[in-house]
Amino acid sequence: EVQLLQSGGGLAQPGGSLTLSCAASGFMFRTEAMSWVRQAPGKGLEWVAAIGSSGGTTYYADSVKGRLTISRDNSKNTLYLQMNSLRAEDTAVYYCAKQIGSCTAGNCYFDYWGQGALVTVS
Amino acid sequence: EIVMTQSPATLSVSPGERATLSCRASQSVSSNLAWYQQKPGQAPRLLIYGASTRATGIPARFSGSGSGTEFTLTINSLQSEDFAVYYCQQYNNWPPITFGQGTRLEIK
Repeated sequence: EVQLLQSGGGLAQPGGSLTLSCAASGFMFRTEAMSWVRQAPGKGLEWVAAIGSSGGTTYYADSVKGRLTISRDNSKNTLYLQMNSLRAEDTAVYYCAKQIGSCTAGNCYFDYWGQGALVTVS
Repeated sequence: EIVMTQSPATLSVSPGERATLSCRASQSVSSNLAWYQQKPGQAPRLLIYGASTRATGIPARFSGSGSGTEFTLTINSLQSEDFAVYYCQQYNNWPPITFGQGTRLEIK
């Protein structure tokens, strides 16, 4: 069974930092591209960042470029989102999501999602 | 950036009836469109990809159609568990991957 178990949410001050983790199991993590998607309170879904299976390619939404960093440790089956220079508008539930395939292959949609982690910047 | 616009924002339908949700792209996304269902307090669930292919385990009452800029999600014989928020997502032109703002399907 595919599982994405998230940790690391919480309260941060404006300008502060936080790291989210997403531990994967039930599939071959090292072969799958992954993304982070967020949802502000009462709002819709916003894609944040994506990373290729090896970690060598990353993509970001303009709203987070230079402040949030996606990374992965394939030896630990874990995806990360390092969040720096946090702003009030970063307040959201953050989901890690498994991509069905690589974006470059035209398969940039999401078949499994983590349970979400709330990040509050205040 | 491709803007995805969903309509209506809220749709009220009675159980057992059909619901038709629309999604429009600001430019062609070919058939590179997915639909998700989200219930309160839960993560989204993939329903449809490639505009019309049901994901694994999705009931046949869910169907998707369209290509280019106009897409439709149809839910036949609405069940109580179908009342939720639905999002479309394009993955043709990226980054960024973009979602519609959602349609809330509520019980009439």
